[in-house]
Amino acid sequence: DAGVTQSPTHLIKTRGQQVTLRCSPKSGHDTVSWYQQALGQGPQFIFQYYEEEERQRGNFPDRFSGHQFPNYSSELNVNALLLGDSALYLCASSLIEVYTGELFFGEGSRLTVL
Amino acid sequence: AQSVTQPDIHITVSEGASLELRCNYSYGATPYLFWYVQSPGQGLQLLLKYFSGDTLVQGIKGFEAEFKRSQSSFNLRKPSVHWSDAAEYFCAVMNSGGYQKVTFGTGTKLQVIP
Repeated sequence: DAGVTQSPTHLIKTRGQQVTLRCSPKSGHDTVSWYQQALGQGPQFIFQYYEEEERQRGNFPDRFSGHQFPNYSSELNVNALLLGDSALYLCASSLIEVYTGELFFGEGSRLTVL
Repeated sequence: AQSVTQPDIHITVSEGASLELRCNYSYGATPYLFWYVQSPGQGLQLLLKYFSGDTLVQGIKGFEAEFKRSQSSFNLRKPSVHWSDAAEYFCAVMNSGGYQKVTFGTGTKLQVIP
């Protein structure tokens, strides 16, 4: 049973560029949440996708956008990158109808913005 | 708005000693509470969770946590620490409004010395 997989694992971009991060949820899961974890901080909620729609969003600007595909996989896009966007981006999957709240995390995509 | 405070940024304990990591939360209703662990370069793994019922919850790897409503606390404990427990620990709270949005604390880094 494959867990949550994310790609790429590491990437380097320059200010102003755009980046796309990808996530495949754990088998059987239908909900994907994205988190940003800056160095030395806890994960911060970006947004959550279910049924290909954004259900709720954290305190992040519109530069951060996402998408969920019919197979439940998801992408996180960040436009006009800033130095402060450097962080570990974590994808978490869950099953919406199982209201246990347990999130299954991938190992993350580490983004460095120069 | 929900929030989590972990007052200890870094804790050092000797192998075999007991451990207690502190967590205080702020949430208007009955909270759903979690402890996650993050090893270097890895995603987060759920240690234990509290939704209702018995206020002392058991988790994986010998960890337990006690929910104290009067103190708004959910401290994590382990009677005897192993070197492999060295990691970063995050306390988290989830809203009970049906959206599975999880708010994390800033984490406590545990160092285990021989």
